[in-house]
Amino acid sequence: GAVVSQHPSWVICKSGTSVKIECRSLDFQATTMFWYRQFPKKSLMLMATSNEGSKATYEQGVEKDKFLINHASLTLSTLTVTSAHPEDSSFYICSAFPPSGQGSTDTQYFGPGTRLTVL
Amino acid sequence: GDSVTQMEGPVTLSEEAFLTINCTYTATGYPSLFWYVQYPGEGLQLLLKATKADDKGSNKGFEATYRKETTSFHLEKGSVQVSDSAVYFCALSDSGGSNYKLTFGKGTLLTVNP
Repeated sequence: GAVVSQHPSWVICKSGTSVKIECRSLDFQATTMFWYRQFPKKSLMLMATSNEGSKATYEQGVEKDKFLINHASLTLSTLTVTSAHPEDSSFYICSAFPPSGQGSTDTQYFGPGTRLTVL
Repeated sequence: GDSVTQMEGPVTLSEEAFLTINCTYTATGYPSLFWYVQYPGEGLQLLLKATKADDKGSNKGFEATYRKETTSFHLEKGSVQVSDSAVYFCALSDSGGSNYKLTFGKGTLLTVNP
């Protein structure tokens, strides 16, 4: 089946620094990737939709200058948390859609997530 | 907007017990409904889905029926195993369109003891 990886799996950083999280589709090309954020005991919250070769679409309330998304290739999307603060500490999860013709378009394939802790 | 409400956990069962995790939804259109499972240290995996009313999704002994009249999609399994221990998420996506954004419930942690 389709595999999506994330790197790093966990990261600790100091307040004010920037952190980049990578999301890769390992065995398929993904024109669309999604970034989610998960708080403890809360549901996954969609942050943005990442489209290869175009600007990401952010959900209401998500600061696009804070969470920079770059989908530079069909297998890689990155999320950069800029000037991180303790309230940005969370679990970040990406997902990818295979293009039409490669599996159901209803099926998103998820990465294992990245735990970010900002001190 | 769309929302999903699922049973709060954690749920602890003995092996071979019957499992039900309740899920209800609110949506303006005719959504597709999903159950995802997240095993420890792994990404979410699609467990089963149903795309229209009265459809039954099933996989690995789990099943759920799309009930439009009660706006529900409860997950059931007749006999759970230790290997079923995981977090289960109910989700929906808007019907039609090209974005297929998912709205998730909060997740239910299931622990099955031998």
